[in-house]
Amino acid sequence: GQQLNQSPQSMFIQEGEDVSMNCTSSSIFNTWLWYKQEPGEGPVLLIALYKAGELTSNGRLTAQFGITRKDSFLNISASIPSDVGIYFCAISSGSARQLTFGSGTQLTVLP
Amino acid sequence: NAGVTQTPKFQVLKTGQSMTLQCAQDMNHEYMSWYRQDPGMGLRLIHYSVGAGITDQGEVPNGYNVSRSTTEDFPLRLLSAAPSQTSVYFCASSYGGESEQYFGPGTRLTVT
Repeated sequence: GQQLNQSPQSMFIQEGEDVSMNCTSSSIFNTWLWYKQEPGEGPVLLIALYKAGELTSNGRLTAQFGITRKDSFLNISASIPSDVGIYFCAISSGSARQLTFGSGTQLTVLP
Repeated sequence: NAGVTQTPKFQVLKTGQSMTLQCAQDMNHEYMSWYRQDPGMGLRLIHYSVGAGITDQGEVPNGYNVSRSTTEDFPLRLLSAAPSQTSVYFCASSYGGESEQYFGPGTRLTVT
């Protein structure tokens, strides 16, 4: 099946810093999504991208759909303690829009 | 709306026991899916359904059965639990043809 390479695996940053994480694949996809998971909860959708080159923002979060359609990145600006969690990229494929997830980036924000 | 609900929240089973994980959604979504999440890994698709009476296998279907008799419910059955099925299980739903899936809070299953 499809495989997504997500990096970095974990990040420790100071409050107020900007964060960047990315996902790459060996195949072309038409939809990239970014989810956040907090401890003990299910993933929550942050941003969905549908067009190559598309840049979409959601508050302090910005995500881009790579022009080659093989990658995507997520930026978080001016991090705050509630940004702590695991961030997953995902691609949607197949007739039922099945999701394939990256392995996640564990984000820790230090005060 | 309650969204996607899952029961139980936690479960411990002995090897060989059977059980059903419940999932329900009240958003009238056509599509529903089951994923498992293991440490250090992303979620992996077990089974999915595009409507009542229609189910299909995902990436890791072995050891699990599903059925979809109503739009709202999509139970996941473990017929004979194995330690390899120790995991956190998430149910998700979406409108037909849309990629944006909404997840339940998960069921943490331990098989001893």
